[in-house]
Amino acid sequence: GAVVSQHPSWVICKSGTSVKIECRSLDFQATTMFWYRQFPKQSLMLMATSNEGSKATYEQGVEKDKFLINHASLTLSTLTVTSAHPEDSSFYICSARDARSGGNEQFFGPGTRLTVL
Amino acid sequence: AQRVTQPEKLLSVFKGAPVELKCNYSYSGSPELFWYVQYSRQRLQLLLRHISRESIKGFTADLNKGETSFHLKKPFAQEEDSAMYYCALSPIQGAQKLVFGQGTRLTINP
Repeated sequence: GAVVSQHPSWVICKSGTSVKIECRSLDFQATTMFWYRQFPKQSLMLMATSNEGSKATYEQGVEKDKFLINHASLTLSTLTVTSAHPEDSSFYICSARDARSGGNEQFFGPGTRLTVL
Repeated sequence: AQRVTQPEKLLSVFKGAPVELKCNYSYSGSPELFWYVQYSRQRLQLLLRHISRESIKGFTADLNKGETSFHLKKPFAQEEDSAMYYCALSPIQGAQKLVFGQGTRLTINP
């Protein structure tokens, strides 16, 4: 099946620094990738839809200048949390949709746990 | 607005008993419905989708448009079914994002 990887799996950073998280589709091309965040014991909340070669579409309430998304190729999307603060600490999960698929199934990465001190 | 509701945060049943995880949705158009499962320390993975009409690991789910429901059922629960289950909705056309319910943690007792 389709595999999505994320790097790093966890990261600890100081307040005010920026952190980049990578999401890769390993064996398929993904024209669309999605970024979610998940707080403890809560569901996944979509942050933005990342489209290859164009600007990301952000959900209401998500600051696009704080969460920078780049989807430069069909297999890689990056999320950069700029000037991170402790309230940004969360579990960030990406997913990718197989371009060949006619349906809306998404394949999920293992997630990245971000802790901002 | 699109919304998915899973009324039970926790569900505990005994091995061999039937299990039903409830999911109701709100959407004005024609949605595609999914059940995703997350086993302990694993990533989220697709369990089944309504358009496939499949039975996966003994689970089935029928889309009831009249009741706007997509309940997940299994006649005989197994211990390995213990996991977090998320119901999700996606518009068939247009934006292909997923809207997730809050999730139900299913525990199968021996």
